[in-house]
Amino acid sequence: NAGVTQTPKFQVLKTGQSMTLQCAQDMNHNSMYWYRQDPGMGLRLIYYSASEGTTDKGEVPNGYNVSRLNKREFSLRLESAAPSQTSVYFCASSGLASAYEQYFGPGTRLTVT
Amino acid sequence: KNEVEQSPQNLTAQEGEFITINCSYSVGISALHWLQQHPGGGIVSLFMLSSGKKKHGRLIATINIQEKHSSLHITASHPRDSAVYICAPSKGGAQKLVFGQGTRLTINP
Repeated sequence: NAGVTQTPKFQVLKTGQSMTLQCAQDMNHNSMYWYRQDPGMGLRLIYYSASEGTTDKGEVPNGYNVSRLNKREFSLRLESAAPSQTSVYFCASSGLASAYEQYFGPGTRLTVT
Repeated sequence: KNEVEQSPQNLTAQEGEFITINCSYSVGISALHWLQQHPGGGIVSLFMLSSGKKKHGRLIATINIQEKHSSLHITASHPRDSAVYICAPSKGGAQKLVFGQGTRLTINP
């Protein structure tokens, strides 16, 4: 039981490049989330998916797209990376069986130069 | 004004001391989460509560919905408790979290 996994762990991009951050959970959770964490800003919600087939914007969705590929996987795409997207990205999941506590992945440290 | 305010922002204490971290929020919530972020960056959920009090080992969390206030207490603190503690009220059925800035706790031996 791996919990929530994220790939890659680290990534450096040049401005304008695109990439997809992958997230998967093996806890049969319905809800999944993408957050970013910036120094002095705390964690902020980018997008979330309350259930398979649905996605909704969070607090800071601009510059990102998401796909809930199936119940296990929720990916975050940066179409044209900008230095302002330099951050640590966390994926999380929650579900009824976990009493809605959120389980976090290990994070992806992204630097855009 | 931030929707979630934590105090103190930084706290240094000696091993064995009783620790209290406070969280006040202005949003309507369905529940409140306390998270722990280790120095390596990993985030762990400690509690989710919507009323009253919960206890796990040396950690106790309380919430007063009317006063929009929650506290996290650590009894008999230990250096391994050194971490950032984050308060995060949740809104709505999808458990969308709004995060406090965190309290950096350092416990010295």
